[in-house]
Amino acid sequence: NAGVMQNPRHLVRRRGQEARLRCSPMKGHSHVYWYRQLPEEGLKFMVYLQKENIIDESGMPKERFSAEFPKEGPSILRIQQVVRGDSAAYFCASSPRTETYEQYFGPGTRLTVT
Amino acid sequence: TQLLEQSPQFLSIQEGENLTVYCNSSSVFSSLQWYRQEPGEGPVLLVTVVTGGEVKKLKRLTFQFGDARKDSSLHITAAQPGDTGLYLCAAGPMNTGFQKLVFGTGTRLLVSP
Repeated sequence: NAGVMQNPRHLVRRRGQEARLRCSPMKGHSHVYWYRQLPEEGLKFMVYLQKENIIDESGMPKERFSAEFPKEGPSILRIQQVVRGDSAAYFCASSPRTETYEQYFGPGTRLTVT
Repeated sequence: TQLLEQSPQFLSIQEGENLTVYCNSSSVFSSLQWYRQEPGEGPVLLVTVVTGGEVKKLKRLTFQFGDARKDSSLHITAAQPGDTGLYLCAAGPMNTGFQKLVFGTGTRLLVSP
């Protein structure tokens, strides 16, 4: 039973470019969460999605960031016009249902903006 | 903003020693989880505690949820180098649905042979 998969594991972008981060949840999981871990800081919630729906995006920056979880395919976190401050580790987690806080994390994508 | 404070921030001990890590908040939580994260990897779920006063054991690790569900502790007996890592507590705030986790500040543990 494969775990949460994220790709790429490492992504380097120049300022102003776009970054696309992908997340495939565990089999049978329909709830996806994205978190960001800045250097020397804790994990911060960004967005919670179910298939084709954004449920809670209260942790997402208002500009340049968007997320989707289409009916088919992985969840995508998209960052437009990246800036140096976007450099961080981005983690995706999934859970099978809402009646639990147990979330299972992927290995993360480490974004470096040069 | 509900915060989870962990202490100590850093802990460096010798193999065989015991240690306790604390996770404290002024808020009440529905449940609390402990994760371990190794460099370059995502957090790995260790345990979930739900009931106030609950104690769970996982081999040499003992987890306790405070009676008021505001705090938790993780005790490791006879630590081994394989226990090295970043320990994170995370909690589900009350009345927000089972959605976002609030993470603690983390305790970085180093166990030397």
